[in-house]
Amino acid sequence: EIVLTQSPATLSLSPGERATLSCRASQSVRNYLAWYQQKPGQAPRLLIYDTSNRATGIPARFSGSGSGTDFTLTISSLEPEDFAVYYCQQRSSWPLTFGGGTKVEIK
Amino acid sequence: EVQLLESGGGLIQPGGSLRVSCAASGFTFSSYDMSWVRQTPGKGLEWVSSISANGAGTQYADSVKGRFTTSRDNSKNTVYLQMSSLKAEDTAVYYCARSVNWNQDYWGQGTLVTVSS
Repeated sequence: EIVLTQSPATLSLSPGERATLSCRASQSVRNYLAWYQQKPGQAPRLLIYDTSNRATGIPARFSGSGSGTDFTLTISSLEPEDFAVYYCQQRSSWPLTFGGGTKVEIK
Repeated sequence: EVQLLESGGGLIQPGGSLRVSCAASGFTFSSYDMSWVRQTPGKGLEWVSSISANGAGTQYADSVKGRFTTSRDNSKNTVYLQMSSLKAEDTAVYYCARSVNWNQDYWGQGTLVTVSS
């Protein structure tokens, strides 16, 4: 099973700042890494798939990069609605696995 | 508009069985793989199971293998998760999701399953 480790657990930032979230895989997932956003009381929402492709309707301030075992989600300038929990997920091999999440909170 | 609506959650005793359903609309259901993902209250996401578009192929997490069965009825646009031998650690919100290359692009609102005596 591929283990995904997200860091930091919590990121405290102000609106307008840049957010950089990390996801590290225990073995290569090639580029098969996705990112999801979840707000309290809501279902997750797909943001990025296959490392760097934005899902439908996702603003350009969200971008993804990386390959192999190290991946990054960047939010270029935080909007108030971006404060949430972010999860990565790999689809390189079964079982599908998620990271433990990074909470982006208002500083 | 893609919609996924889960139902069937509730309180069930340890060792019991429960079936949750997910009714889909707004897309050609029979063309899409589907998945179940659960979330323990206040915790992270755990993939549970996936099923191929035609229902011929299924995958399960080790934690549920042999106890849970995923199926679908493409004539009813519905996917099911049959859960048996339930344990306290199966308590979670169960989400169904549409899968595209095993990325979950649309999610339902979830249904809460509580396993407790």
